[in-house]
Amino acid sequence: AQTVTQSQPEMSVQEAETVTLSCTYDTSESDYYLFWYKQPPSRQMILVIRQEAYKQQNATENRFSVNFQKAAKSFSLKISDSQLGDAAMYFCAYRSANTGNQFYFGTGTSLTVIP
Amino acid sequence: SAVISQKPSRDICQRGTSLTIQCQVDSQVTMMFWYRQQPGQSLTLIATANQGSEATYESGFVIDKFPISRPNLTFSTLTVSNMSPEDSSIYLCSVVPRLSGNTIYFGEGSWLTVV
Repeated sequence: AQTVTQSQPEMSVQEAETVTLSCTYDTSESDYYLFWYKQPPSRQMILVIRQEAYKQQNATENRFSVNFQKAAKSFSLKISDSQLGDAAMYFCAYRSANTGNQFYFGTGTSLTVIP
Repeated sequence: SAVISQKPSRDICQRGTSLTIQCQVDSQVTMMFWYRQQPGQSLTLIATANQGSEATYESGFVIDKFPISRPNLTFSTLTVSNMSPEDSSIYLCSVVPRLSGNTIYFGEGSWLTVV
C-alpha cells in the first residue's frame, strides 16, 4: 500500500503570515493524484487543493498553493496571508490513477493561527 | 462536487447496541466509501459501498460488525453493531462524484460516543 507521511504533527503561524505544511509519499506509480484536505473543528473534511501528477505546474487556489516535487515525492502546501479561519487539521492524501479506488491519507498536521 | 447529507451528526450510544448511519448524496456517484476517524487520528477506510452488491471491506473490518447497504447510486447506510467504547469515533461517508476528477468529498461526519 502507498504511504503518505506528514512529519509535522503541529504547526503555528501568525495571522497574515505564510506557512508551509509538508507531505511526502511513497509510490512506484507515475500517474496519480494528490490532495490537501482541511478539517476544522466542525469535523467536515473540505478539499483545499488537488494536483495531478502528470501536470508539472503547481496547483493554486487563491491563498493556497502547492510545491509538487515528483522526483522527490514531495507535496507541500503553502498558505499565504494566513487567516484565523485557516486553523484546522490538514490532511495530505494520495490516490492512484490506475490501480484501485482507495485514497491514502497522512496523519495530519494541526495548524494554529495566532492573532 | 456533491452535497452529502449524513445523519445522525452525533449520538451517544449504550454499550451492546447498534446504530445505523445514513448517507444521502444529491447526485449519482461512482464510488461511496465509509471511513472511521478515531479521536486525534487520521482516516481509516472501513469499506467501499457497492451499489446492489456486498460492500468491499478493508482488513480489520468485517460485515458482521459493520454491515453496509447501498440500494442505489445516491444512498448508503453503515451500521455499527454491538458497540463497545472502542467504537467511539467519527464515521465519515465519502463519495467520488462523476466528473469530479477523481476527487473524494466527505459528509459532515457522525460522531458516536459509546458509554
